[in-house]
Amino acid sequence: GNSVTQMEGPVTLSEEAFLTINCTYTATGYPSLFWYVQYPGEGLQLLLKATKADDKGSNKGFEATYRKETTSFHLEKGSVQVSDSAVYFCALSLPSGGYNKLIFGAGTRLAVHP
Amino acid sequence: DTAVSQTPKYLVTQMGNDKSIKCEQNLGHDTMYWYKQDSKKFLKIMFSYNNKELIINETVPNRFSPKSPDKAHLNLHINSLELGDSAVYFCASSQDAAQPQHFGDGTRLSIL
Repeated sequence: GNSVTQMEGPVTLSEEAFLTINCTYTATGYPSLFWYVQYPGEGLQLLLKATKADDKGSNKGFEATYRKETTSFHLEKGSVQVSDSAVYFCALSLPSGGYNKLIFGAGTRLAVHP
Repeated sequence: DTAVSQTPKYLVTQMGNDKSIKCEQNLGHDTMYWYKQDSKKFLKIMFSYNNKELIINETVPNRFSPKSPDKAHLNLHINSLELGDSAVYFCASSQDAAQPQHFGDGTRLSIL
């Protein structure tokens, strides 16, 4: 079936460290891929997306590249800030009965310390 | 000017009761969704409506009944609440079913 696997958290980093959160997917067909972020007490916000192989999504210093050969969409940021502390969800979107359905990974909590 | 708003934000009630959660979006989107997020943060879709019509209905107990009076509203009614229903429920909307989704802030449901 279709699924998304993320690295388990929590990920704990010092400010200005380099961040990688791994995400791999299994899908029948050609999904669109997303990263969503959830800050404490809030809903999910779209962080970035990529709709086809080799596309790179980027936003707020975060980026992820759609790698079809490794079925991956790893999230990276060169220098994290305390304000980046949140839960990050990788997701894929595939047609289902004529409509697209969003399937989420389990989420990875990031904690950034000063 | 909240885009997707849910009420209430917190809901504490006893087992066996019936409760409703309301969701409204002012984005002019055609598609709306309900998700359940469990205590481990795992997020799973429950329902999706497009222009007031049900398009996705995952394996959800029939105690859960979504209602869409118009395309800007998707309410969730839950009968005979059980302990396992305790979770955070998120409403979301998108321009159509292929576009990124915009989420509300969630409703934390606690069953005593």
